[in-house]
Amino acid sequence: DTGVSQNPRHKITKRGQNVTFRCDPISEHNRLYWYRQTLGQGPEFLTYFQNEAQLEKSRLLSDRFSAERPKGSFSTLEIQRTEQGDSAMYLCASSLSRAGYGYTFGSGTRLTVV
Amino acid sequence: KNEVEQSPQNLTAQEGEFITINCSYSVGISALHWLQQHPGGGIVSLFMLSSGKKKHGRLIATINIQEKHSSLHITASHPRDSAVYICAVIIAGKIIFGKGTRLHILP
Repeated sequence: DTGVSQNPRHKITKRGQNVTFRCDPISEHNRLYWYRQTLGQGPEFLTYFQNEAQLEKSRLLSDRFSAERPKGSFSTLEIQRTEQGDSAMYLCASSLSRAGYGYTFGSGTRLTVV
Repeated sequence: KNEVEQSPQNLTAQEGEFITINCSYSVGISALHWLQQHPGGGIVSLFMLSSGKKKHGRLIATINIQEKHSSLHITASHPRDSAVYICAVIIAGKIIFGKGTRLHILP
């Protein structure tokens, strides 16, 4: 297993365009998390899944953002009608829903909206 | 008040110095991570702690559950240790991150 994989690593898009990011977690991990990190700040929680169920969404996740994990394996995060304020690093992490179990982080997707 | 507080926010030191970064949290947790992030890079997990102390190479992490406090130490620091170090706690299955400590080691 190569860990948590995120694609693409970098994305530059024009304002108003839609973008989609993908996260492939460690195969046996049933929990998957999305975080957003802006420059100089720590990552902020966006949403998480247990298997295919989306269990929690942050109020940061406006109606332009949608996340899916259709088969309980990989997940996608889509941003519609991107704005310059969406420019950030989008991080994915996965884990097992077992107390004391650690988390594995992906390398992130850096989005730049121009 | 943030649930996870780190100090210092920024730290510049000379190569070879002993480095300490602190993390305090306000609620009960099941585990704590220390993470490293290089500029423009993704996050790498250094340690996961639920009690006691862990050591990996020149890095040492300690946690005091009763005092809700953890420290990350770097011995014989090197310029390649320059990065942002982030403390993250696990609360009710969710990761809560600190704002990070930006470390710069001068040669």
